[in-house]
Amino acid sequence: GAVVSQHPSRVICKSGTSVKIECRSLDFQATTMFWYRQFPKQSLMLMATSNEGSKATYEQGVEKDKFLINHASLTLSTLTVTSAHPEDSSFYICSARDGGVMGNEQFFGPGTRLTVL
Amino acid sequence: AQSVTQLGSHVSVSEGALVLLRCNYSSSVPPYLFWYVQYPNQGLQLLLKYTSAATLVKGINGFEAEFKKSETSFHLTKPSAHMSDAAEYFCAVSDIVTGGGNKLTFGTGTQLKVEL
Repeated sequence: GAVVSQHPSRVICKSGTSVKIECRSLDFQATTMFWYRQFPKQSLMLMATSNEGSKATYEQGVEKDKFLINHASLTLSTLTVTSAHPEDSSFYICSARDGGVMGNEQFFGPGTRLTVL
Repeated sequence: AQSVTQLGSHVSVSEGALVLLRCNYSSSVPPYLFWYVQYPNQGLQLLLKYTSAATLVKGINGFEAEFKKSETSFHLTKPSAHMSDAAEYFCAVSDIVTGGGNKLTFGTGTQLKVEL
């Protein structure tokens, strides 16, 4: 149990285009989902926290108009990188949390490698 | 504010040798502490977690960690390294908060190399 998927696993896009990444909790309801960004050989940096049905809370320094997060259902959150540029190239990881039966543990997706040309 | 310091960005051990990955934390409230493992181009897998119960925590794959409040440490150990243990390891801290939130703050990671 407690499986989180991400789609796509890899995406290459041209500069200026928008890219949508999906994060799904497959076997539990995720009241909260988190989006992280990881640069090569570095740690995970939290970008934003999203609760189902409400606006995401962004960390300081993260542009909310550039990284659009939607958590429309208890099993799906999406991250849209708008007008992507090469500096947005990174590994994006989501996690999901169920504050009920499974407590406060975050379950991580496999990540999405974004390359902007 | 919470923070985690992982001493040693790279650790190399021989197969069969003891693995010791160091983690020190800073938290103004009682913490939850976690160790995660990440294989190349993959997400994070939870190895073990401390949530204010037993101070010696046993996890998957033979790993364990001991919470030492006096030393603000949560070092990860494994008695005998295996080649499959080679990966990136992250220590993380979260405050004990009910309800929403529970943001994780990660350390910078330690790359474990296991040599024959």
